[in-house]
Amino acid sequence: EVQLLESGGGLVQPGGSLRVSCAASGFTFSSYAMTWVRQAPGKGLEWVSTVSGGGGTKYYADSVKGRFTVSRDNSKTILLLQMNSLRVEDTAVYYCAKALGGKISSDSWGQGTLVTVSS
Amino acid sequence: DIQMTQSPSSVSASVGDRVTITCRASQGISSSLAWYQQKPGKAPKLLIYAASSLQSGVPSRFSGSGFGTDFTLTISSLQPDDVATYYCQQADSFPCSFGQGTKLEIK
Repeated sequence: EVQLLESGGGLVQPGGSLRVSCAASGFTFSSYAMTWVRQAPGKGLEWVSTVSGGGGTKYYADSVKGRFTVSRDNSKTILLLQMNSLRVEDTAVYYCAKALGGKISSDSWGQGTLVTVSS
Repeated sequence: DIQMTQSPSSVSASVGDRVTITCRASQGISSSLAWYQQKPGKAPKLLIYAASSLQSGVPSRFSGSGFGTDFTLTISSLQPDDVATYYCQQADSFPCSFGQGTKLEIK
């Protein structure tokens, strides 16, 4: 059974940094692209970033480009999102998700971790 | 970037009704479209991928259709458990944008 467990969320001041993690199990982690999607309180889903199975190809939303960095450790089956220069508008639940085969869509999701950016 | 527009933004229907939600892409995406269901406080769940392929374990009352720019999610006979917000996502290219969501309620 695929399991994705996010951690690392919390309260951070504007301009600060935070790293959220996603521990994966139940599948061959290195064979699948992984994605971060966020959801601000009461709002819709927003795609944030996707990294290829090998970690060499990365994509970012314009809203986070230059501030967020996605990475993965395939030996430990962990997905990471380093978030710098955080803004109030980055406040959201951050979900990690596993890609469906060779597609961009995501077939398994974690429960999410809440990041709150506030002074 | 490709923009995704869903309609309606909310819908209310009776148990047993047929419900249709539409999603329009700002440019052609062939059949690269997914539909997700999200219940309050829960993570999204994949229902349909590649526009019309039913994800394993999803009830057969859900179906998807469309190609190019216009897509449809249909629930053939609405059940109480279907109360949720539904999102489409284009899976053709990055950034892989979502629609704004359609909130489905029971009358």
